[in-house]
Amino acid sequence: AQSVSQHNHHVILSEAASLELGCNYSYGGTVNLFWYVQYPGQHLQLLLKYFSGDPLVKGIKGFEAEFIKSKFSFNLRKPSVQWSDTAEYFCAVNANYGGATNKLIFGTGTLLAVQP
Amino acid sequence: GAGVSQSPSNKVTEKGKDVELRCDPISGHTALYWYRQSLGQGLEFLIYFQGNSAPDKSGLPSDRFSAERTGGSVSTLTIQRTQQEDSAVYLCASSPRSGALGSGANVLTFGAGSRLTVL
Repeated sequence: AQSVSQHNHHVILSEAASLELGCNYSYGGTVNLFWYVQYPGQHLQLLLKYFSGDPLVKGIKGFEAEFIKSKFSFNLRKPSVQWSDTAEYFCAVNANYGGATNKLIFGTGTLLAVQP
Repeated sequence: GAGVSQSPSNKVTEKGKDVELRCDPISGHTALYWYRQSLGQGLEFLIYFQGNSAPDKSGLPSDRFSAERTGGSVSTLTIQRTQQEDSAVYLCASSPRSGALGSGANVLTFGAGSRLTVL
């Protein structure tokens, strides 16, 4: 069955530290990959997405993620975090079958706390 | 509407009662999802509606859970004979017609959720 793993459940960083959150998925076909973020008290919202093309994708607020097909990974990175990045981050994957997609599966989330 | 609307925002019920949660997706969005968010469990997929296709119910945890989508728009998630372990935030999301690579088709817009507490 298709699954998404986020190995870091809780990360605590100081401001200006670099961030990398891991995401691995188990599916061998064509995939669409996403990172969503949930700031305290707010709705889940899209941070960035990968459908095809350049495996290094850039999102909002200085975040980027790299799709490494051979490693089934889509790790999220930010070179210098800010206190306002404190949030829960979810990786999500769905499979693409010639233009039609199946359900979107999320990982268990990583709670990031940035200390000022 | 401008966003995905869910009601009620909070529901407290007694064990054994039935509850209905409503989702009003963005107008024109053909895909609709229900997820359950509980502490330490992340976002658990429940059910997925896509246009007129048969829904993907593979995430429903038991036969006490069911969902309908009427007229391709509003959806209702029903939980019968609620149990304490059903306590969670139930999230609804919608997206435009699924398909085309590179389009926004698969980008979900989430509602604020319905927080269910079963006493």
